[in-house]
Amino acid sequence: NAGVTQTPKFQVLKTGQSMTLQCAQDMNHNSMYWYRQDPGMGLRLIYYSASEGTTDKGEVPNGYNVSRLNKREFSLRLESAAPSQTSVYFCASRRDSLSTGELFFGEGSRLTVL
Amino acid sequence: QKEVEQNSGPLSVPEGAIASLNCTYSDRGSQSFFWYRQYSGKSPELIMFIYSNGDKEDGRFTAQLNKASQYVSLLIRDSQPSDSATYLCAVEDFGNEKLTFGTGTRLTIIP
Repeated sequence: NAGVTQTPKFQVLKTGQSMTLQCAQDMNHNSMYWYRQDPGMGLRLIYYSASEGTTDKGEVPNGYNVSRLNKREFSLRLESAAPSQTSVYFCASRRDSLSTGELFFGEGSRLTVL
Repeated sequence: QKEVEQNSGPLSVPEGAIASLNCTYSDRGSQSFFWYRQYSGKSPELIMFIYSNGDKEDGRFTAQLNKASQYVSLLIRDSQPSDSATYLCAVEDFGNEKLTFGTGTRLTIIP
């Protein structure tokens, strides 16, 4: 059982380049999330998807777009990367909004923008 | 804007002692409270959740919630070196879909 799988694990971009972080879960969860984690800032929500076909903004959505491709997959796209987007990105999922709230996290994707 | 405050630490505790981690939150509407543990370079994992005022125990861990004071804590008894990690507090309004995390407290257990 793989849980939540993120790719790539590491990426270096130049300012202005674009890229997509991929996330897939095999737990049949309805809700999926993208967080970023910066030193001293904790985990901040970028976007989330409560169910297939829906997406909503979190705390820090500027500069990002998302796609809930199907129930399993939720991707995060940086259209024009900026150094301020250097961070560790975590994808997470959970059964639904009425669950215990346990988020299952992927291993993280470390992104550096030069 | 909802805020969740934690002392960033580091908090150093001798092996075998009780580690006490604290968290305060700003939104009185918050109803669900979670403690996650994150080892360096790893992803967060859930330790405990609590909904009701009072204490909830699970093995060496006890979560305490005081909604009137908007305060939630985590006690770790008989601390072990393997407990050394960053502990993240998170809060959620019921059915709100989103958890708001604190910045985390770094805990070091000294052998």
